Amino acid sequence: AQSVSQHNHHVILSEAASLELGCNYSYGGTVNLFWYVQYPGQHLQLLLKYFSGDPLVKGIKGFEAEFIKSKFSFNLRKPSVQWSDTAEYFCAVNGNDMRFGAGTRLTVKP
Amino acid sequence: DVKVTQSSRYLVKRTGEKVFLECVQDMDHENMFWYRQDPGLGLRLIYFSYDVKMKEKGDIPEGYSVSREKKERFSLILESASTNQTSMYLCASSLFPPDTQYFGPGTRLTVL
Repeated sequence: AQSVSQHNHHVILSEAASLELGCNYSYGGTVNLFWYVQYPGQHLQLLLKYFSGDPLVKGIKGFEAEFIKSKFSFNLRKPSVQWSDTAEYFCAVNGNDMRFGAGTRLTVKP
Repeated sequence: DVKVTQSSRYLVKRTGEKVFLECVQDMDHENMFWYRQDPGLGLRLIYFSYDVKMKEKGDIPEGYSVSREKKERFSLILESASTNQTSMYLCASSLFPPDTQYFGPGTRLTVL
């Protein structure tokens, strides 16, 4: 069965630190990959997505993610986080169906 | 901009009550979804619909049903609410199945 694994449940960083959130999935076929973000009190919104082409995709607010097919991974990165990046981040994979990871809560200390 | 609205932000119901959660999207999307979001579990799919009057079970359909009489509206029904259905319920829509899903603000349901 298709599944998505996010390794970090809660990450705490200081402003300007670099961020990498892990996402691995299990599915043997073609996938579409997403990162969604949920800011406190707001609805889930798309951060970035990968369907095909360049495996390094750029999203809003300086985020990027790299699809490594051989590792079944789609890790999210940002070189320098800001306090306003405090949010919950969800990886999602659409193979047969859309599956979401459990989420990673990011806290950025000013 | 796609807009997905949900009828209530907060709802408190008693065990055994029948509960209706409404979702409306304004972008003529074919596909609509209901999820529940619980801490540490992420989003779990309850039901989805690819067309009017069509519905498919997701991963956790037990205790829920849905209705889609019009393209823009997708309702989630808890036939007899139980305390383990206390959760945040999210509705989403998309233009076609593998594409970006657009989410509503969520309904936080508490069943006492």
